[in-house]
Amino acid sequence: EIVMTQSPATLSVSPGERATLSCRASQSVSSNLAWYQQKPGQAPRLLIYGASTRATGIPARFSGSGSGTEFTLTISSLQSEDFAVYYCQQYNKWPLYTFGQGTKLEIK
Amino acid sequence: EVQLVESGGGLVQTGGSLRLSCSASGFTFSSYAMHWVRQAPGKGLEYVSAISSNGGNTYYADSVKGRFTISRDNSKNTLYLQMSSLRAEDTAVYYCVTTFGEGWFDPWGQGTLVTVSS
Repeated sequence: EIVMTQSPATLSVSPGERATLSCRASQSVSSNLAWYQQKPGQAPRLLIYGASTRATGIPARFSGSGSGTEFTLTISSLQSEDFAVYYCQQYNKWPLYTFGQGTKLEIK
Repeated sequence: EVQLVESGGGLVQTGGSLRLSCSASGFTFSSYAMHWVRQAPGKGLEYVSAISSNGGNTYYADSVKGRFTISRDNSKNTLYLQMSSLRAEDTAVYYCVTTFGEGWFDPWGQGTLVTVSS
C-alpha cells in the first residue's frame, strides 16, 4: 500500500497570505495525485487532479505541483472561504487508492 | 447533472448488519467502476471498497475484508454496501463515489451516517 503523508497537520495563515501544503508518497505515484477541500459538515470537493490541473470552477489562486513522491498545493492569497481541511489522494494503481491524513488550514 | 445519493445509514448495534445503497443518475452507471469511501467522526478519509463496471472485480480495505460486500445492480443504477459484524470503529459517514475511469473522485454524494453502538 502506498502511504500518503501530509504536512503540516495544522497550518495557521492570515487572510491574504500564501499557504503551502505538502503531500509525500511512500513510493512514486507519477502525476496521479488529487487534492480535495472539505469544510465542516460537507462532502469533500475536488480541487486538483493530475497533480496540477484545476477542476472545473476552481479559482486560479489554487495551484498544484510536483510529481513522483513530492507534491504541493499552494493557495496564493487566502480568502475566508479557503479555511478548511485539505486532503491529497493518490490513484496510481486501481484499486489501491489512498488518502493523506489531511491538513487543517486555520485562520491566524 | 451527475448525482450520487446515499441511503440506508442509521444506528446499529455492535455485531449487527446494515445495507447501504447509492442511487446514481446523470451518467452511464454501467460503464464505470464505483467506490465507497468513509470518514469517521473528526477523522480523515478512508478508501473502503471498489467494484468494477460489470461487477466482476471487487476490492476491500483490510479493515473491512470479510465483513463488507460491495455489489451493484446496473439495471437499477444502484450501488450497494452490505455491512455485517459491525464494530464501533465502523462508525462513519459513508460516501459513494466514482472516478469516471480517471482515478480522482468527483463528484461526491452527501454521504450517509452509520453509527455502531452497543
